[in-house]
Amino acid sequence: GAGVSQSPRYKVAKRGQDVALRCDPISGHVSLFWYQQALGQGPEFLTYFQNEAQLDKSGLPSDRFFAERPEGSVSTLKIQRTQQEDSAVYLCASSTQGNTEAFFGQGTRLTVV
Amino acid sequence: QKEVEQDPGPLSVPEGAIVSLNCTYSNSAFQYFMWYRQYSRKGPELLMYTYSSGNKEDGRFTAQVDKSSKYISLFIRDSQPSDSATYLCAMSVRTGRRALTFGSGTRLQVQP
Repeated sequence: GAGVSQSPRYKVAKRGQDVALRCDPISGHVSLFWYQQALGQGPEFLTYFQNEAQLDKSGLPSDRFFAERPEGSVSTLKIQRTQQEDSAVYLCASSTQGNTEAFFGQGTRLTVV
Repeated sequence: QKEVEQDPGPLSVPEGAIVSLNCTYSNSAFQYFMWYRQYSRKGPELLMYTYSSGNKEDGRFTAQVDKSSKYISLFIRDSQPSDSATYLCAMSVRTGRRALTFGSGTRLQVQP
């Protein structure tokens, strides 16, 4: 596709359930970012990949959050034992190396009940 | 206190008005400044990008950065109803960590 694709668009999880969110970046984009956006707030950085290497995971809020990008393309953000405070929109963005313009996907809206 | 502060609004203006959106920040290491537009239930899209201080104009949009005051602005001329969205300022430092720090966003409503 032409843009960053995220799936699912919406996810409802019961508290304690594990979830996996997928991001398909723009083809050829080396850099990939995950952000978390709470209602009425700006996105907050979670983690950053350059190709398959996770260079920065300082924004992950707890060890229940895990991200991977094994082949340097598609990325998955996994949240274990979901809690209500994990309810948010999870945004993925990608960019070419050395280019500050990051293109965002539409996000996955996670609701934990 | 957050690193980047932005008035959440909502800001309501009549069509054709000049809109001024602003952010202040506390981290003097920020070098790159961006404005994103986010429509409801969509991802942010980049509107303007500025490096260091100065002005940049693109069509109806003008971005200003004043690093001495740690203050950035986005002006929208001849505002249109289609400009109704949330506007997010974002910044980054010049390091290997290229993540963006966002403001909380200002919701703009342009009334026809």
